[in-house]
Amino acid sequence: TQLLEQSPQFLSIQEGENLTVYCNSSSVFSSLQWYRQEPGEGPVLLVTVVTGGEVKKLKRLTFQFGDARKDSSLHITAAQPGDTGLYLCAGFSNAGNNRKLIWGLGTSLAVNP
Amino acid sequence: SAVISQKPSRDICQRGTSLTIQCQVDSQVTMMFWYRQQPGQSLTLIATANQGSEATYESGFVIDKFPISRPNLTFSTLTVSNMSPEDSSIYLCSVEAQGTGEQYFGPGTRLTVT
Repeated sequence: TQLLEQSPQFLSIQEGENLTVYCNSSSVFSSLQWYRQEPGEGPVLLVTVVTGGEVKKLKRLTFQFGDARKDSSLHITAAQPGDTGLYLCAGFSNAGNNRKLIWGLGTSLAVNP
Repeated sequence: SAVISQKPSRDICQRGTSLTIQCQVDSQVTMMFWYRQQPGQSLTLIATANQGSEATYESGFVIDKFPISRPNLTFSTLTVSNMSPEDSSIYLCSVEAQGTGEQYFGPGTRLTVT
């Protein structure tokens, strides 16, 4: 069974601090996606990383895919209250006929003004 | 991307009753997905709905409890049948960007069963 472990599960920080969220697995994924969900809304796709070692930046958010495509990280620089939400990683496996999206357990982030 | 709407946005229901949740997409899509989520927690896939065929259910979910309709390429419904308080959750529908696994979600339906 493929699993995605996400850490930390909860994070409460002050505005201006930096943070990193980790997403780890023993399985290899074709790609890995990061979503953010705000209360009362569905998750919204932030980024997809595809190539081992790939780094993508989205303003103050930096996403990295591990060289072996088994893990990923999300780093937020100078967090702001608007970054508050649930961050979910999801690994996409496209091996043969077995297409599957595996979800991490989520990181609930609160950025306090 | 796709714009997805869900109805109702929330409901409070009595145990033993059923609720049908509607999901409408602004474009034609092959696959639609139904998820369940406890507030602040991850997503659990209930089933995948393809137009013109029966839905495929994940382990732990059965058609009698969660019947799904998919009458066309832009619409689907999920019914939560014979509800109990354990069914209280957020129910989300989503569609996939072609071949990528990337999901676009509706805003969700918050269900409370008393």
